[in-house]
Amino acid sequence: GAGVSQSPSNKVTEKGKDVELRCDPISGHTALYWYRQSLGQGLEFLIYFQGNSAPDKSGLPSDRFSAERTGGSVSTLTIQRTQQEDSAVYLCASSLGRDRGSHEQFFGPGTRLTVL
Amino acid sequence: AQSVTQPDIHITVSEGASLELRCNYSYGATPYLFWYVQSPGQGLQLLLKYFSGDTLVQGIKGFEAEFKRSQSSFNLRKPSVHWSDAAEYFCAVGGFNDMRFGAGTRLTVKP
Repeated sequence: GAGVSQSPSNKVTEKGKDVELRCDPISGHTALYWYRQSLGQGLEFLIYFQGNSAPDKSGLPSDRFSAERTGGSVSTLTIQRTQQEDSAVYLCASSLGRDRGSHEQFFGPGTRLTVL
Repeated sequence: AQSVTQPDIHITVSEGASLELRCNYSYGATPYLFWYVQSPGQGLQLLLKYFSGDTLVQGIKGFEAEFKRSQSSFNLRKPSVHWSDAAEYFCAVGGFNDMRFGAGTRLTVKP
């Protein structure tokens, strides 16, 4: 596809369960970002990948959150033992990245996570 | 550490009126600055960006923004608002690995 895609678009889970959120960046984009947008809040930076490595994990809110990226493309954000405060929209973005000198981020439609 | 402040949580303007959304930032170096728009149920779309050069930048949908280093501001403007401009607007500042977004300003357009 032409843009960033995310799946699922909606996820409802029970407290304590693990969830995986997927992001497919734009082909050729080496940088990938995850953000969290809570109701009425701005975007909270979670993690940034350049290629498969994550030089900045400082935004992950707790050790229940982890992310990986394989093949320099698809990324998965995993939340273990979900809590109600994890309910939010999780946004993924990609950009051409540092090597191509571009900061412009293109966003996916997001995954709305609801923890009951 | 870098930060972005959007002082106005919610703004209401009449259709056809002019618009200015405020954005102030704190950043240690020359900033890269962005404005994004998020329409209901839609993803974030880039309106415009500033990297260097002319401090008045033009974007899509008739929007423009002016970078004022002395005021650490990057305010978004539009001369005449259309009903379709109703959305959430986010200012962002940063580089490759330190992009930070403001809390957003929700724009309501009155008929």
